[in-house]
Parts: sequence; C-alpha cells; structure tokens
Amino acid sequence: AQSVTQLDSHVSVSEGTPVLLRCNYSSSYSPSLFWYVQHPNKGLQLLLKYTSAATLVKGINGFEAEFKKSETSFHLTKPSAHMSDAAEYFCVVSDNYGQNFVFGPGTRLSVLP
Amino acid sequence: GAVVSQHPSRVICKSGTSVKIECRSLDFQATTMFWYRQFPKQSLMLMATSNEGSKATYEQGVEKDKFLINHASLTLSTLTVTSAHPEDSSFYICSATGKGQGLPYNEQFFGPGTRLTVL
Repeated sequence: AQSVTQLDSHVSVSEGTPVLLRCNYSSSYSPSLFWYVQHPNKGLQLLLKYTSAATLVKGINGFEAEFKKSETSFHLTKPSAHMSDAAEYFCVVSDNYGQNFVFGPGTRLSVLP
Repeated sequence: GAVVSQHPSRVICKSGTSVKIECRSLDFQATTMFWYRQFPKQSLMLMATSNEGSKATYEQGVEKDKFLINHASLTLSTLTVTSAHPEDSSFYICSATGKGQGLPYNEQFFGPGTRLTVL
C-alpha cells in the first residue's frame, strides 16, 4: 500500500523568499514521485517527477525536489517565490506499473507582496 | 505531446437530468484512464480506473450506477452522471497514461477539468 503525507495544509511566504513544501511517502516498493501544481479552477500541471534516476530533480519554473529514501521524503523547494507561484500543490506517489497513483492532501501556497 | 482534453469545461444542469463528460487523449493512445472528483479546497479523489475495452474499476463508495464510465476506444473515455443532484456538483478531472509510445508509462497526463453545477 502507498500513502502520501503533506505536512502543511497552508504555507505562506513573502515574494522573493525561499519556498519549502514538504512531502513524505510510504510505499512497499520503489516508487515514482510527482509534484503537481493547480491554479484555481484549472487542471493539474506537472512540475517535476522522480522515477529512480537522479535523486535531485529539477522542474519547471525554478522548482526542484530531492528524493531521500532514508527519510521517505520528496520535499519541493524554490529559491525565490514569485507571486504567480500562489496555488495548490500536490505530491503524488505511484507504483511502477502506471495503475496506482495516490495523491497527497495538498498544500496551499500563498505568496505575500 | 501527451495532451488530454475534456469537454465540456463547464456545465450547468437541472436536478434529475444526466450529464456526459468526455475525456480525450489527443496525440497518444490512452491505455488507462482515470476519473477524479475534486471538492473545493480538497485533494483529488479517485472515482474509477478504466482500461480500453474493459469495465471500469470503481473505488469503494463510488456508485457504479450513478457514475457510468465508458472507455470505448484508446482515445476516448466518458463519464455520465445519471440523475444528477446538487450534491454531485463538483470539479471532475480525467487523466490518462499511455504505454509503448515513447511516453513514460507511469506518468499521468491530466485534462483541464469539468466544472459541474447541478441546480
């Protein structure tokens, strides 16, 4: 069985400061991990993914995440927040068969001017 | 590549009517399609998984007779909300995975979602 925990339901940062969105997972096998962003009333956009290659993954819009197996974590970071980053972020874990995807509860990121 | 569309993007209907939502993979063959429901300020809740040519697998608590899913071809899946009621109002999102087409087999490609409002 797989599960995902996003420790913060809401994160608020000032524009230009670093962003850290936390994600911990549980999986009985080597997982694939994804971060998606969702703006209000929109679909999901893939930010980045880990699929057993490099543990430090770089994504779009300056985001990156590091897969840490020992900590079962896949935290999302960005050095400098932009107003346009304000959105809902979902961490997702999947098996390696493309059939089973588990979503985290989401973290709402607010960016203050 | 790997674009998924949904139609309609918004629909308003009267209570008791049925509504059909289409999900299409535009430039790849979708071996598996997923239907999600999302309430305001909540995460996506998986409703069902469907593979082309076979019956959908519904998640526990999702009424099969209420939410009819048809995955008739490798590029089209439909979700029909039968006898809709106000509590069915929600944001419905589909996604698809594709195999053997240069696509990562374990990555979902999401549609833009359909906002259903039942009056």
